[in-house]
Amino acid sequence: DSGVTQTPKHLITATGQRVTLRCSPRSGDLSVYWYQQSLDQGLQFLIQYYNGEERAKGNILERFSAQQFPDLHSELNLSSLELGDSALYFCASSVEVGVAGAYEQYFGPGTRLTVT
Amino acid sequence: GESVGLHLPTLSVQEGDNSIINCAYSNSASDYFIWYKQESGKGPQFIIDIRSNMDKRQGQRVTVLLNKTVKHLSLQIAATQPGDSAVYFCAHRTGYSTLTFGKGTMLLVSP
Repeated sequence: DSGVTQTPKHLITATGQRVTLRCSPRSGDLSVYWYQQSLDQGLQFLIQYYNGEERAKGNILERFSAQQFPDLHSELNLSSLELGDSALYFCASSVEVGVAGAYEQYFGPGTRLTVT
Repeated sequence: GESVGLHLPTLSVQEGDNSIINCAYSNSASDYFIWYKQESGKGPQFIIDIRSNMDKRQGQRVTVLLNKTVKHLSLQIAATQPGDSAVYFCAHRTGYSTLTFGKGTMLLVSP
């Protein structure tokens, strides 16, 4: 158990809908990362938050957004869903950025999103 | 753009053999590399990491080798066990703390 929790575990929804995925980082971790994992694209970095602020952006669509709250949990919002958004969505967390060059990220169990 | 790739999509070994999973990276400025193991239905799990000022690092039954000259990274698993069956990803640091992942190699261990 990495200490990172994600809810829900599974989500089935229809095209055009909006969903929210939730992540709680490991205790003490300030950075949260979101990834999308599909069969043909592997693990794609979406976005990073550090202590409530957006820190880095990857291949995140404009239909997707995220935020990190004062208690450090994070939410990933996916809107106007398309069939191609079906994937596993992972959250990861890490200790304070740059502390002792610690870059390893710890992943949650993921949310499997199915868009029908 | 930057990429991290794997030579072999699937590696099949017998229990007790040593396994070697390879990875090539394109960014010669990369200073941090990491291996993850992902079992079916689970999130990636940290295995071992290495910084660019090192050539080799050992963990429990695992060794990571870094060859900066040819931009190649490998993960060696000693005495492979059925529980090692999983997809293995290499990744390298891009940006300040973000990681770029390779596409993964599936390791299949037969009893």
